[in-house]
Amino acid sequence: DTGVSQNPRHKITKRGQNVTFRCDPISEHNRLYWYRQTLGQGPEFLTYFQNEAQLEKSRLLSDRFSAERPKGSFSTLEIQRTEQGDSAMYLCASSLRRTKNTGELFFGEGSRLTVL
Amino acid sequence: ILNVEQSPQSLHVQEGDSTNFTCSFPSSNFYALHWYRWETAKSPEALFVMTLNGDEKKKGRISATLNTKEGYSYLYIKGSQPEDSATYLCALSGSQGNLIFGKGTKLSVKP
Repeated sequence: DTGVSQNPRHKITKRGQNVTFRCDPISEHNRLYWYRQTLGQGPEFLTYFQNEAQLEKSRLLSDRFSAERPKGSFSTLEIQRTEQGDSAMYLCASSLRRTKNTGELFFGEGSRLTVL
Repeated sequence: ILNVEQSPQSLHVQEGDSTNFTCSFPSSNFYALHWYRWETAKSPEALFVMTLNGDEKKKGRISATLNTKEGYSYLYIKGSQPEDSATYLCALSGSQGNLIFGKGTKLSVKP
């Protein structure tokens, strides 16, 4: 399967613990995005990378959140000192940069986080 | 700031019914409008990308239109089937290629 892969698919943790999610994008895609989706909401943009450079971060991304894409391939999203409000589906998507930004994003199946 | 509104929030129809959803936006300051289908336990799947006023796209029983002048897009499903049950998301492409999503319309099709 050459689609976007995310793991773990589900994570249950206690408040205050750190969690890390991994995303493996489609191999030739140079852009990678992280989104968060909570109940009743659409996916909300968190951050994106072009190759290894993190080009934009949403104000939703507090200082407890950090994302990396060290070699321009896979990416990790770490949440430190988790809070119950962090419970959500974390979606990763990738795309190929185009001259005009009309290209579709290809999503993974998401990593569902539950903070107890 | 792009703001995407979708209606209705949820919809229940019988198999064979045709239905449509609305995506509205206050400004035409975006690169493209996208429709995605998101089935439970699966990844969001792109249906259509539209860029020009008057664009119409079709894929099987599903079609979409875009009116940038009046700020809306419609998604139509003809003869709904149970496998069409999903959340349908509308999104606008921003300047960096990231998508700004609406809250979605959850469709349930009863056999």
